[in-house]
Amino acid sequence: GAGVSQSPSNKVTEKGKDVELRCDPISGHTALYWYRQSLGQGLEFLIYFQGNSAPDKSGLPSDRFSAERTGGSVSTLTIQRTQQEDSAVYLCASSPAPGGGYGYTFGSGTRLTVV
Amino acid sequence: QQQVKQSPQSLIVQKGGISIINCAYENTAFDYFPWYQQFPGKGPALLIAIRPDVSEKKEGRFTISFNKSAKQFSLHIMDSQPGDSATYFCAAGKVAAGNKLTFGGGTRVLVKP
Repeated sequence: GAGVSQSPSNKVTEKGKDVELRCDPISGHTALYWYRQSLGQGLEFLIYFQGNSAPDKSGLPSDRFSAERTGGSVSTLTIQRTQQEDSAVYLCASSPAPGGGYGYTFGSGTRLTVV
Repeated sequence: QQQVKQSPQSLIVQKGGISIINCAYENTAFDYFPWYQQFPGKGPALLIAIRPDVSEKKEGRFTISFNKSAKQFSLHIMDSQPGDSATYFCAAGKVAAGNKLTFGGGTRVLVKP
């Protein structure tokens, strides 16, 4: 597609439930990133995928968070046993290549509300 | 050492005025400094970026000034327009490390007509 697509755009879930957030990057972009944006805050890095390399998971806040990227394209971020502090906008971005200073293209995000 | 500090948190400017946003970083290994613009309900969009080998970069009404020795960089929006009203984020990254970005806290800019 023309841009980075994220689904769902909004998700309300009960505390303790698992959620899956999906990201479709721009076709041909080899690098994919997940960030979290809490209300009125900056963006917090979560995880980075590049091609077939092992992902950089250094930003994942706890073992309740995991992500995978299938076939070098679509990525899913899974949050298990959701907590109220997980409420945020989860943003996915893709880039043509990890080096060279290429800018990211972000999706519009998934707004997650844990009640 | 990974922090990027951004100021001010919010800014009100009259149409035609200059908006100035400042950022400071700590990690001297950073070598890529982009600015992103975000409108409500949308993801951030890349506005302009600079590498540390230049002190200034201009694209239209947007200019980045970069001071390597002070570990500071700033965004100037000249002739600010109501359509520039948005939240602006600075960021810093290391290209060789996958360009994973550390973001500042954001500045909400309101341009009054």
